[in-house]
Amino acid sequence: DVKVTQSSRYLVKRTGEKVFLECVQDMDHENMFWYRQDPGLGLRLIYFSYDVKMKEKGDIPEGYSVSREKKERFSLILESASTNQTSMYLCASSLSLDRSRNTIYFGEGSWLTVV
Amino acid sequence: AQSVTQPDIHITVSEGASLELRCNYSYGATPYLFWYVQSPGQGLQLLLKYFSGDTLVQGIKGFEAEFKRSQSSFNLRKPSVHWSDAAEYFCAVFGGATNKLIFGTGTLLAVQP
Repeated sequence: DVKVTQSSRYLVKRTGEKVFLECVQDMDHENMFWYRQDPGLGLRLIYFSYDVKMKEKGDIPEGYSVSREKKERFSLILESASTNQTSMYLCASSLSLDRSRNTIYFGEGSWLTVV
Repeated sequence: AQSVTQPDIHITVSEGASLELRCNYSYGATPYLFWYVQSPGQGLQLLLKYFSGDTLVQGIKGFEAEFKRSQSSFNLRKPSVHWSDAAEYFCAVFGGATNKLIFGTGTLLAVQP
């Protein structure tokens, strides 16, 4: 089974802090994604990466950056956390950009509260 | 642009009753469609997916979904709901040109004893 692991399940950070959310997948997937989930808004894509050191903006990249130095690891960075970034963050991965193999698998989520 | 609509925000069914969750999509080409389930405080688990072929797709936990191109729908069904099915359900379409998975806003399912 594919395993996508988000190392921090629950975090509380102060406004202005730099926050790192880490995600690791163990299936040699090419693509990795960061979503945030908010009630009534569903899941919104923040950033995704289709290769090491490659990244593309999703629908709501403002206030976030990402890093992918190794294929298995994709980090989401909040340079200066704000209260409107309090949310559930979901990491995901998929094998390939080939549509026939593009099932996306999710981690268990990281709950971030910014106070 | 691709989009997914789940018209029902919240549904309550009795245990043992049948279930149908609605999903409508907007996509120009043949869509890749997914249903995910999310239990409280957890990530998303894939229930089933449609890529091509038979329009009736079987998934895990006794769920199935039917792709109807003429109605742009991909409704999720289960003949007999169990209390453990209470969760939030998300429909999604893969937007090929953008390589993004686009989600609906979810349907929260409650199961009455």
